Amino acid sequence: KAGVTQTPRYLIKTRGQQVTLSCSPISGHRSVSWYQQTPGQGLQFLFEYFSETQRNKGNFPGRFSGRQFSNSRSEMNVSTLELGDSALYLCASSLNGQIYEQYFGPGTRLTVT
Amino acid sequence: ELKVEQNPLFLSMQEGKNYTIYCNYSTTSDRLYWYRQDPGKSLESLFVLLSNGAVKQEGRLMASLDTKARLSTLHITAAVHDLSATYFCAVDPGGSQGNLIFGKGTKLSVKP
Repeated sequence: KAGVTQTPRYLIKTRGQQVTLSCSPISGHRSVSWYQQTPGQGLQFLFEYFSETQRNKGNFPGRFSGRQFSNSRSEMNVSTLELGDSALYLCASSLNGQIYEQYFGPGTRLTVT
Repeated sequence: ELKVEQNPLFLSMQEGKNYTIYCNYSTTSDRLYWYRQDPGKSLESLFVLLSNGAVKQEGRLMASLDTKARLSTLHITAAVHDLSATYFCAVDPGGSQGNLIFGKGTKLSVKP
């Protein structure tokens, strides 16, 4: 069974640009959560999608958005990039959002210059 | 606001020694998770603790949960170099909506 995949794995963008990251969950999983990891703030929850609906959202500005498609694949978008958005972005999938079933992907390393 | 505090944040150990990492959290929750992260890598699930008094062991690592004290511990027995990594505890605030609140992590370095 394939694990959670994230693309791209590495990304370099310039301040002010926008970026889209993709997450493909484990087959059959309907919940996808996104997290941001930075040295200063640690691991922070961004949002969770289940069956194409955002069910939960962390404390991030509106520049961070996401969506989920009918095949459960999810994308997150960051507009007007700032230097502080440089981070490792992790997604995790589970059947229904239950944490004890959650599996993390390898992450996308975003660098904003 | 739910807070999760780990200590110590940095831990340098000699091989063969024992040590404990502590994880305190600020709200009632009976679900706590421990993860390991190697540099540049994703999170690897170590332990899932789902009730008060839960104790899980895997190799040289043992995790326990005391929901009344809002405290979890990760005990390392006879440390070896391969255990060098960053360890995170995380609390599930409930609601089955896929979010975890993480501690800042404990960076463990095991030296020969």
